[in-house]
Amino acid sequence: EVHLVESGGGLVQPGRSLRLSCTGSGFTFGDYAMSWVRQAPGKGLEWVGLIRSKTYGGTPEYAASVKGTFTISRDDSKSIAYLQMNSLKTEDTAVYYCTRMIGTGWPVDYWGQGTLVTVSS
Amino acid sequence: DIVMTQSPDSLAVSLGERATINCKSSQSVLYSSNNKNYLAWFQQKPGQPPNLLIYWASTRESGVPDRFSGSGSGTDFTLTISSLQAEDVAVYYCQQYYSTPLTFGGGTKVEIK
Repeated sequence: EVHLVESGGGLVQPGRSLRLSCTGSGFTFGDYAMSWVRQAPGKGLEWVGLIRSKTYGGTPEYAASVKGTFTISRDDSKSIAYLQMNSLKTEDTAVYYCTRMIGTGWPVDYWGQGTLVTVSS
Repeated sequence: DIVMTQSPDSLAVSLGERATINCKSSQSVLYSSNNKNYLAWFQQKPGQPPNLLIYWASTRESGVPDRFSGSGSGTDFTLTISSLQAEDVAVYYCQQYYSTPLTFGGGTKVEIK
């Protein structure tokens, strides 16, 4: 059974950094693109970015709202995807979901339970 | 960027009645080389992550009840719940995966009348 488990969320002050991790199990992690989606409290879903599988170059893509401040990476040997978030702002407060995709041009088929990031002084 | 617009924002439907949610994309998400619409529907129940219901605009994900169906092509899409059940109370989102940035509709909240 496919499982995605996010960790690393919490309370952080504006301007600080935080790294989220997403550990996958029940599938061959390296064969899939991994994506992050966030949801601010009481709001809708916002795609943050993705990282392709190594087969497709392992390259990341980002939403304009986070480009230059967030970085997505992966360690296939550990079945982990990371979301490094720098220069955090209050508007980055959200539940961050890790998701799996066969690749770009394919739908998200599994979601983690999410981890809450609160940016506040 | 492809903008996804859902309507209505919310709707209340009696148990056993039909619920219809619309989703419009600002440009076509139909890829002509394979004739597939790069459009998915997700269901999100309170306190839970979203769950994939429909992909390629009309293909039901494994395990999804057949009362859920998707239709449409190009820029106009519909999610239909043919006979609303109590467990269908949720927010429903459409999403295009035709191009990055991947974009979601604003969501439609479905409640029982």
